Amino acid sequence: DSGVTQTPKHLITATGQRVTLRCSPRSGDLSVYWYQQSLDQGLQFLIQYYNGEERAKGNILERFSAQQFPDLHSELNLSSLELGDSALYFCASSGGSINTEAFFGQGTRLTVV
Amino acid sequence: AQTVTQSQPEMSVQEAETVTLSCTYDTSESNYYLFWYKQPPSRQMILVIRQEAYKQQNATENRFSVNFQKAAKSFSLKISDSQLGDTAMYFCAFGFTGNQFYFGTGTSLTVIP
Repeated sequence: DSGVTQTPKHLITATGQRVTLRCSPRSGDLSVYWYQQSLDQGLQFLIQYYNGEERAKGNILERFSAQQFPDLHSELNLSSLELGDSALYFCASSGGSINTEAFFGQGTRLTVV
Repeated sequence: AQTVTQSQPEMSVQEAETVTLSCTYDTSESNYYLFWYKQPPSRQMILVIRQEAYKQQNATENRFSVNFQKAAKSFSLKISDSQLGDTAMYFCAFGFTGNQFYFGTGTSLTVIP
């Protein structure tokens, strides 16, 4: 158990809909990262938050947004969903220092039908 | 730009044999960490081994060891006495203070009984 909790584990929704993925980082970790992994693909970095502030942005679509709340949990909002958005979405957290690796949640498998 | 390159998309090894996975990276940072993550069929991301860039000694974790060549920006993973449970996708990654983690595209390893 990495200590990072993602909910829900599975999500099936229709095209055009909006969903929210939730992530609770490990206790004490200030950084949260979101990654997208399509079938048999690598990890695409979406966005990083550090202590409530956006720290880095990757290849995140305009239809996607995220935020980190004062209690450090994070949400990833995906709207106007398309079939191509079907993927495994990972959240990871770290302490933000150089001495800490990224701890990954189990992922949310999103299927858009 | 920060990049991680894994030039071997797929590899296979006989059970009990040794296999080496290659990774090169590019960064202008001087203080960073390097990682190998394993993603088995369950899709969970599991940290295999970590190397501090400022340490010359190569990291070792049981059957897993690395060959870190800082000047060449090379970070290979050696798996000794390969086991069926080692079958997975392996991702090389690096990170540095307060910033995102950069991942390679992965190497799919199959251990043959």
